[in-house]
Amino acid sequence: EDKVVQSPLSLVVHEGDTVTLNCSYEVTNFRSLLWYKQEKKAPTFLFMLTSSGIEKKSGRLSSILDKKELSSILNITATQTGDSAIYLCAVEASGGSNYKLTFGKGTLLTVNP
Amino acid sequence: AAGVIQSPRHLIKEKRETATLKCYPIPRHDTVYWYQQGPGQDPQFLISFYEKMQSDKGSIPDRFSAQQFSDYHSELNMSSLELGDSALYFCASSLGHGVGRGSGNTIYFGEGSWLTVV
Repeated sequence: EDKVVQSPLSLVVHEGDTVTLNCSYEVTNFRSLLWYKQEKKAPTFLFMLTSSGIEKKSGRLSSILDKKELSSILNITATQTGDSAIYLCAVEASGGSNYKLTFGKGTLLTVNP
Repeated sequence: AAGVIQSPRHLIKEKRETATLKCYPIPRHDTVYWYQQGPGQDPQFLISFYEKMQSDKGSIPDRFSAQQFSDYHSELNMSSLELGDSALYFCASSLGHGVGRGSGNTIYFGEGSWLTVV
């Protein structure tokens, strides 16, 4: 059974801090790993990672995939209160003609002023 | 840019009733996915369709059925509703599906449909 594990489950920081969120996975026929940000609505796409060691960056957010360690990290620098959300990691896997996206339980990030 | 459209946004039904959720994918997207997210839980994959055919099945109860129509929109039908069906139902869409499609495609989510069963 495909598995995606995120840590920590919850994190509380002060504005300006830097945070690192972790995601590890065990899937058959890995295709890509995706990070989403979820507030009180549908998850918003952040990054899609397919190649190991190549950092993707968007503003204060960055992410990198390590296929050898079967893991990924999401970094947020100079955090702001608007970064408070659940960050979901999902892994895309395929098998034959089937496809699915398996989500982790998410990391709840709270940024206090 | 057009996004994934779901309707209704909120729905309240009584136990044992039937509910239908609709999903309109991003134009030109041929693949639709349905997810269920219960309170405090991570999204659970229910079912997906590619080119109007069911492509994968997850933890969808037998009381639920879904299909993708010729215009690529999809409907999730839920019958004999139970209190535990109360959840946020996400639809997502992508272009291309299956082995060999390349890993450059991205899945886009709709805003979700809130179903409350009372």
